[in-house]
Amino acid sequence: DAGVIQSPRHEVTEMGQEVTLRCKPISGHNSLFWYRQTMMRGLELLIYFNNNVPIDDSGMPEDRFSAKMPNASFSTLKIQPSEPRDSAVYFCASSTRQGGNEAFFGQGTRLTVV
Amino acid sequence: QQPVQSPQAVILREGEDAVINCSSSKALYSVHWYRQKHGEAPVFLMILLKGGEQKGHEKISASFNEKKQQSSLYLTASQLSYSGTYFCGLRDDKIIFGKGTRLHILP
Repeated sequence: DAGVIQSPRHEVTEMGQEVTLRCKPISGHNSLFWYRQTMMRGLELLIYFNNNVPIDDSGMPEDRFSAKMPNASFSTLKIQPSEPRDSAVYFCASSTRQGGNEAFFGQGTRLTVV
Repeated sequence: QQPVQSPQAVILREGEDAVINCSSSKALYSVHWYRQKHGEAPVFLMILLKGGEQKGHEKISASFNEKKQQSSLYLTASQLSYSGTYFCGLRDDKIIFGKGTRLHILP
């Protein structure tokens, strides 16, 4: 398996534009997590899905952020409109649901909003 | 609820030992440890599930206390390759990470 695949790896956009980040989890994993990493806040959990269903989105900072998982092999995180304070590295991770199993991270998307 | 990690940063010389602590206000199902190199994704190190559990190999090991509220990561005879940021993650269903401990190993 190729692991968790995220795209794009880097994104530079202007304030006010829509940004869509994409994630393909590891086949067979039924939990998917979106994290945002900054120096100040560390690794923040934004939202997670079990079996394609959003379970907890309490970490989503504002209504400008939305996430979907239309099927077991694809998820998106959308920011509309984007703001400079959204600049961060966004990681997607997947896991089997059991608590004894680790999460595998994608390589991340480095987002810069200017 | 986010786990609390300490210390925030450590600087060691190669061959020295380090301990990184992780604590939670409530007992949890499991604790995960990850290491992240600069510019890379976090990579899994180990999971502890049982109160009182200790696991790992001789150079990198971890413990989970009986109440399952505190875990420690032990780095013995550190090597340059151990440099990075270490995160503990507490898992019930979701995984919540601490803010990390930055470890610098000097030659």
